Amino acid sequence: NAGVMQNPRHLVRRRGQEARLRCSPMKGHSHVYWYRQLPEEGLKFMVYLQKENIIDESGMPKERFSAEFPKEGPSILRIQQVVRGDSAAYFCASSPKGFGDTQYFGPGTRLTVL
Amino acid sequence: KQEVTQIPAALSVPEGENLVLNCSFTDSAIYNLQWFRQDPGKGLTSLLLIQSSQREQTSGRLNASLDKSSGRSTLYIAASQPGDSATYLCAVMTTDSWGKFQFGAGTQVVVTP
Repeated sequence: NAGVMQNPRHLVRRRGQEARLRCSPMKGHSHVYWYRQLPEEGLKFMVYLQKENIIDESGMPKERFSAEFPKEGPSILRIQQVVRGDSAAYFCASSPKGFGDTQYFGPGTRLTVL
Repeated sequence: KQEVTQIPAALSVPEGENLVLNCSFTDSAIYNLQWFRQDPGKGLTSLLLIQSSQREQTSGRLNASLDKSSGRSTLYIAASQPGDSATYLCAVMTTDSWGKFQFGAGTQVVVTP
């Protein structure tokens, strides 16, 4: 059973461009979580999604950030008009049953904004 | 609001010594607590998950305890090895959190041969 997959592993964008980060959960997992790790800071929750639903987006910045988890395909975290402060490692986790379940993390996408 | 603190921030021990890593949290209404390991430039590896009804969990050389009333968890690693060098993260899920973890800043561990 393959683990959580994220791509790309490294992404470089110039200020003002869009960044799309993809997360494929483990087989059989329908719950996806996105976390962000800023340089020298701990991981911060961003958003929790179930297939076609956003369950909790309390950690998402109000502007420029959006996330989806369609019925088919990977979960996408989209950052529009990136700024230098968006440079971070973005981790995706998945779980089979949702609330209270063990979360399995992917290797992360390291976004660098020039 | 739940706050999770890990002390110390960094720890260096010679090989063979036991490691003791501490995690404290301010809101005792937790659903579970999970310990992770993070290697440089890599993702997180789950080590142990303790449900709120449990006092401890063990896996090999690892043992994690949970004391909800005092808001503390401790991760013990017996007979440390250089391969244990990594950052260890504590994450707490509160009962009203809808599944999200609140992470501590981590303890960076170096085990010297």
